[in-house]
Amino acid sequence: AQSVTQLDSHVSVSEGTPVLLRCNYSSSYSPSLFWYVQHPNKGLQLLLKYTSAATLVKGINGFEAEFKKSETSFHLTKPSAHMSDAAEYFCVVSFNTGGFKTIFGAGTRLFVKA
Amino acid sequence: GAGVSQSPSNKVTEKGKDVELRCDPISGHTALYWYRQRLGQGLEFLIYFQGNSAPDKSGLPSDRFSAERTGESVSTLTIQRTQQEDSAVYLCASSLRGLGPGELFFGEGSRLTVL
Repeated sequence: AQSVTQLDSHVSVSEGTPVLLRCNYSSSYSPSLFWYVQHPNKGLQLLLKYTSAATLVKGINGFEAEFKKSETSFHLTKPSAHMSDAAEYFCVVSFNTGGFKTIFGAGTRLFVKA
Repeated sequence: GAGVSQSPSNKVTEKGKDVELRCDPISGHTALYWYRQRLGQGLEFLIYFQGNSAPDKSGLPSDRFSAERTGESVSTLTIQRTQQEDSAVYLCASSLRGLGPGELFFGEGSRLTVL
């Protein structure tokens, strides 16, 4: 079965410190992987995506993620958190199973302390 | 318009009433999706349209929920005889093509409150 697990429901960091949001997936197919961000009362916005090209993917606002097939992981990182990064982050897995299927993780809420 | 537009942005209704939620996708996007997001939770897939056909309706929670789409344009999600557990934000997304891992462009959602 296909699934995506975000390992932390909440992450709290201080401004200027690194961010790590963890995501693991399970798939019988070659997945495409995405991270989306949702700011309060806003729609979701794509941060970055992996579609079988380079395993280290750079996105907007200084975020990046590394696809590790052996670990079935796609963790999101940023070297230095900013107050504006406080939001909900969703890891998303897409499978082409003869039909198109997209599965969202439960989300990780990032808090950034001054 | 430039982005995905949803209306109404907020809807308060009484239990048992019917509601219609509307989504205008980005022009030219063939694929359209509806998701439900309950308070503090992730996104729950409801239905996916490719053009005006719906190859995947597996997420519709009950027969009170239905959706239709006119061509590659507007979609309407209808909830009949609303229940309190239907209270959520209903998000619509569109993408350029539905048969591959394309980026989803989301609207800001319709917040439904059932009293």
